[in-house]
Amino acid sequence: NAGVMQNPRHLVRRRGQEARLRCSPMKGHSHVYWYRQLPEEGLKFMVYLQKENIIDESGMPKERFSAEFPKEGPSILRIQQVVRGDSAAYFCASSSFGTTQYFGPGTRLTVL
Amino acid sequence: AQKVTQAQTEISVVEKEDVTLDCVYETRDTTYYLFWYKQPPSGELVFLIRRNSFDEQNEISGRYSWNFQKSTSSFNFTITASQVVDSAVYFCALSGETSGSRLTFGEGTQLTVNP
Repeated sequence: NAGVMQNPRHLVRRRGQEARLRCSPMKGHSHVYWYRQLPEEGLKFMVYLQKENIIDESGMPKERFSAEFPKEGPSILRIQQVVRGDSAAYFCASSSFGTTQYFGPGTRLTVL
Repeated sequence: AQKVTQAQTEISVVEKEDVTLDCVYETRDTTYYLFWYKQPPSGELVFLIRRNSFDEQNEISGRYSWNFQKSTSSFNFTITASQVVDSAVYFCALSGETSGSRLTFGEGTQLTVNP
C-alpha cells in the first residue's frame, strides 16, 4: 500500500499524558501537513513540514503542540499534557511540491 | 483571508436522485486551487478533484461532475443518479498564493442517500 500511513488509528490518553501521532508520507512525497478535525467541525490546518524543516506552523497552538519530520522516519505530531479539548481526529497529508495533498486515515485521539 | 462556505449542512436524497453540493469561496489570490474531498463513515479523507483558477472547464468523471464559475466564486459538485455508497461528508477546500500549500476547508456537507 503506497498511501499515507498514520498510526495509531486510535489513541486514548488521560489528562496530563503525552500523545505521539505518527505519519509516513506516500512514497516520493517530501511534504507533510497536519490537520485537526474537532467533533462536528471541519478540518483546520495545523502545520506544514518538509524534511527537517517546519515551513508553516501558523495553525499550531502555541503551547503543548510540536511537530517534526526528521531526515529518516515518519513525521511526528506531539501533544504534551493533553487536555479534554485535544480530543479530535488528527489527519496527516502528503504531497510533492505544489501538488495535491493526499490524506491518511487519521488518528482519533480521546482524552479521558 | 481565504474562506470556503458550504451552506448546506445536511442533504438527504433518495437513491437515483441527482444532488448538487454547493461551494462558495473567497480569495484575493489570482492563482488558486479548489478541491473536493469525500469523508465516508469510515472516516478517511478521499481526494476527488483539484482545479486551478485558470481552468474553468467543467469536469465529468462517471457520475460526478463539477461546475467551476469564477464569476460567482463557486465550485459546485453534482452527483448524478446517487447511490447509497455516496453517503458521506463532502468537503470543499481552497489553497492559494498567499496561503502557500495549506488548505482552507469548508465546514462540510453531510449527504445521506436513502435506499
